[in-house]
Amino acid sequence: EAGVAQSPRYKIIEKRQSVAFWCNPISGHATLYWYQQILGQGPKLLIQFQNNGVVDDSQLPKDRFSAERLKGVDSTLKIQPAKLEDSAVYLCASSLVVAGEGGSPLHFGNGTRLTVT
Amino acid sequence: AQSVSQHNHHVILSEAASLELGCNYSYGGTVNLFWYVQYPGQHLQLLLKYFSGDPLVKGIKGFEAEFIKSKFSFNLRKPSVQWSDTAEYFCAVNSYNTDKLIFGTGTRLQVFP
Repeated sequence: EAGVAQSPRYKIIEKRQSVAFWCNPISGHATLYWYQQILGQGPKLLIQFQNNGVVDDSQLPKDRFSAERLKGVDSTLKIQPAKLEDSAVYLCASSLVVAGEGGSPLHFGNGTRLTVT
Repeated sequence: AQSVSQHNHHVILSEAASLELGCNYSYGGTVNLFWYVQYPGQHLQLLLKYFSGDPLVKGIKGFEAEFIKSKFSFNLRKPSVQWSDTAEYFCAVNSYNTDKLIFGTGTRLQVFP
C-alpha cells in the first residue's frame, strides 16, 4: 500500500511570502487532515476534510491559511502571507474513518518542513 | 476541552532497560487512545491503540500500554528496550464520536547500546 505523499519536503521562504504544500492521501481514504507541528510540540490539527467538504477548521488561522481538497482526493494547504511563527513541519494524514466514528488510526506523510526567515 | 499531557520530555536509557512513558488525558467522556512513534527521518506511525475491552493493549515491536480509566492514564511500556527504539513517542486521544485527534507534546527516547 502506498503511503501518504507530501511535497515539497523542505521549503525556506521569507516572511510575507506565500507558500503551498501538496498532499496525496492513501487511495480510498475519505478523510484527510492537515496538522502543524512546531518544534518541541505535538501535532496540532489545522483542518479536516471528509471527501471534499470541510469537517473541522476551527484551528486554522483563516486570515492567512487556506486549504482545499478538490475532487475529494489531493489537497493543498496555502499560507499567504507567511509569518516567522509559521515555521513548523506541516503534516498531512488520511484515514478510512467516516467523520464522527472516531476510531480509525491516521496514516501520516513525511511532512513538509517550512522555515520562514 | 480535551488535552493530553506527557510528563517525560526526554528519556535516556541503556539497552535492555525497562521503559515506561507516562500519558494523562483530560476528557470526561468515552475516548479512543493511541500511541504514535516517529523514528528519526520517518513519518509518524501507529504503535498501538485502545478503543474498548481489555485495558492492556499490545502493539508492535513488543510495546504495550495500559488504560487506567480512574487515573485518566494510558502509559506506554516495554520490558527491554533496544537501540532501534530510539524515537519520539506521542500519546494521542480523540473522543468516541469525533475524529479530532489531540496529541501530547511527545517524549524523546534515546537508547544507548
